[in-house]
Amino acid sequence: AIRMTQSPSSFSASTGDRVTITCRASQGISSYLAWYQQKPGKAPKLLIYAASTLQSGVPSRFSGSGSGTDFTLTISCLQSEDFATYYCQQYYSYPPYTFGQGTKLEIK
Amino acid sequence: EVQLVESGGGLVKPGGSLRLSCAASGFTFSSYSMNWVRQAPGKGLEWVSSISSSSSYIYYADSVKGRFTISRDNAKNSLYLQMNSLRAEDTAVYYCASLVRGGGWFDPWGQGTLVTVSS
Repeated sequence: AIRMTQSPSSFSASTGDRVTITCRASQGISSYLAWYQQKPGKAPKLLIYAASTLQSGVPSRFSGSGSGTDFTLTISCLQSEDFATYYCQQYYSYPPYTFGQGTKLEIK
Repeated sequence: EVQLVESGGGLVKPGGSLRLSCAASGFTFSSYSMNWVRQAPGKGLEWVSSISSSSSYIYYADSVKGRFTISRDNAKNSLYLQMNSLRAEDTAVYYCASLVRGGGWFDPWGQGTLVTVSS
């Protein structure tokens, strides 16, 4: 199975900051990567697929990049509603579909 | 509105069984592969099982293979997960999620149902 590793596992930031979350695959996955946002007690919400394609309705301050083994999710100007946990997921080789362990973004 | 609603969660003793259901509405359920993804308390997301639109292809995570059975009834727009020989480590919120056609990402997701395995 392809292992997905996110970094950092958690960090604090302030409203207005630009933040970047990294996801690394244990082997090349081309651009077969999705990003999700999850708030406490809620289901995950799709943000980005195909590494860089923004899901309809997702604010443009979210962006994704990367291919192969290294990927990033960037939030250009943090808003209060962006404090959540973010997960990457590969769909290059399945089963199993695999997720990163998550990155918890907290308010500083 | 596209909607997935899970039900059937609850408290069960180790070794017991439980059947989860997921009712779909607002889209052509029979055209989409469906999945179960779980999340243990305070932990990350773990894919559990997939079933293709016509039930021709079924996959399981190694952690549940031989104990869980996924099925669907397209006439009822419903997805199921029969869970047998439950263990404490199966305690989690179970989400049903649709696999986007032509892609490998999950959207939408249901709100989840909590399964607790404890004596």
